[in-house]
Amino acid sequence: DTGVSQNPRHKITKRGQNVTFRCDPISEHNRLYWYRQTLGQGPEFLTYFQNEAQLEKSRLLSDRFSAERPKGSFSTLEIQRTEQGDSAMYLCASSLESLAVTGELFFGEGSRLTVL
Amino acid sequence: GQQVMQIPQYQHVQEGEDFTTYCNSSTTLSNIQWYKQRPGGHPVFLIQLVKSGEVKKQKRLTFQFGEAKKNSSLHITATQTTDVGTYFCAGPQDSWGKLQFGAGTQVVVTP
Repeated sequence: DTGVSQNPRHKITKRGQNVTFRCDPISEHNRLYWYRQTLGQGPEFLTYFQNEAQLEKSRLLSDRFSAERPKGSFSTLEIQRTEQGDSAMYLCASSLESLAVTGELFFGEGSRLTVL
Repeated sequence: GQQVMQIPQYQHVQEGEDFTTYCNSSTTLSNIQWYKQRPGGHPVFLIQLVKSGEVKKQKRLTFQFGEAKKNSSLHITATQTTDVGTYFCAGPQDSWGKLQFGAGTQVVVTP
């Protein structure tokens, strides 16, 4: 296994269009996160899954954002009716969580979205 | 809600010098993690601290978790150009262990 894979790596779209990003986590990892990062900022939490269950969605996210993780494997993040403010790097991370300690996050290389 | 703050936001260091970056949480943390992000790269895990007062070393990097488990520090000795990047701390925000990241300390090293 080569790590967390994200695609596409880059996406340029026009305002109002829909975009979808895919994340393939490390196979044995049960936890999957989506973060968003803009220049000069730390990763901002969007949502996360424990297996196929979506545990939480950030209150900062509008209804235009939706994420799925069918069968607890890969995940998709869809943004509908994109706005220029959605331009950012979308990072996916996975981890192996136990009851005792938070697992380290393994990040993918990210999907950079530019909305024109 | 919980806030994770890092200072300084920016650190300009001469090669060979030491420096320290700090991470402060508004609430007590069960553990804290540190990540490094190279320019143009993605965050990479460095270390996790769990115990109150814990100190861990990785070569020239020394990580410390405060006694109250509300703050942490990263000290780098004899800075090298390979240390360039942004260093983030992250702490669990809820009982499920959702990680919240600080804004990071961007480190620039001049030869």
